[in-house]
Amino acid sequence: TQLLEQSPQFLSIQEGENLTVYCNSSSVFSSLQWYRQEPGEGPVLLVTVVTGGEVKKLKRLTFQFGDARKDSSLHITAAQPGDTGLYLCAGVPYTGNQFYFGTGTSLTVIP
Amino acid sequence: EPEVTQTPSHQVTQMGQEVILRCVPISNHLYFYWYRQILGQKVEFLVSFYNNEISEKSEIFDDQFSVERPDGSNFTLKIRSTKLEDSAMYFCASSELGALNTGELFFGEGSRLTVL
Repeated sequence: TQLLEQSPQFLSIQEGENLTVYCNSSSVFSSLQWYRQEPGEGPVLLVTVVTGGEVKKLKRLTFQFGDARKDSSLHITAAQPGDTGLYLCAGVPYTGNQFYFGTGTSLTVIP
Repeated sequence: EPEVTQTPSHQVTQMGQEVILRCVPISNHLYFYWYRQILGQKVEFLVSFYNNEISEKSEIFDDQFSVERPDGSNFTLKIRSTKLEDSAMYFCASSELGALNTGELFFGEGSRLTVL
């Protein structure tokens, strides 16, 4: 089992603040994805990163894949209430054809 | 827009009963998965399915669990004799390219299973 630990587990911030969510593992992944899940729905893909050190931006969201391909971070600038949800990282190991999900970070942005 | 559909949305069952959860993946997708989520937090992998057979399964997926793709469109998860700890939200997901080709996972809305 490939263990992906996310921190923090819960985060409650005011609208307009910045935040960073971390996804760490001792395992190396060929790629890593970030999903967002809203209550009552399944997770929805935000981004895929495949190259060590890669940085991708999606409007106010910045994703980084660690140089060693073992960790990733998600930074949100000027958070908005619409960013509220459960953020999940998912790694794909070099062996096996499945996605291992992280422990999840529940974000609440207060207006 | 194509989507993964799951039925039922909620099932309540007695411990020891058999349960079948149904999924219709996106039609051109080749890789199918079942995950479960307890208390709205960690998403746990159960099984992956490709080319009409199981490609991987987790320690959770023991002899009480089975999957089937009976007719080329449905993808079912059967729990033979449910236990209290099987209570969870079960998600079906499909992917056109699969994990190793960095394909995207498309999830259904989930089936909530409550075992009493």
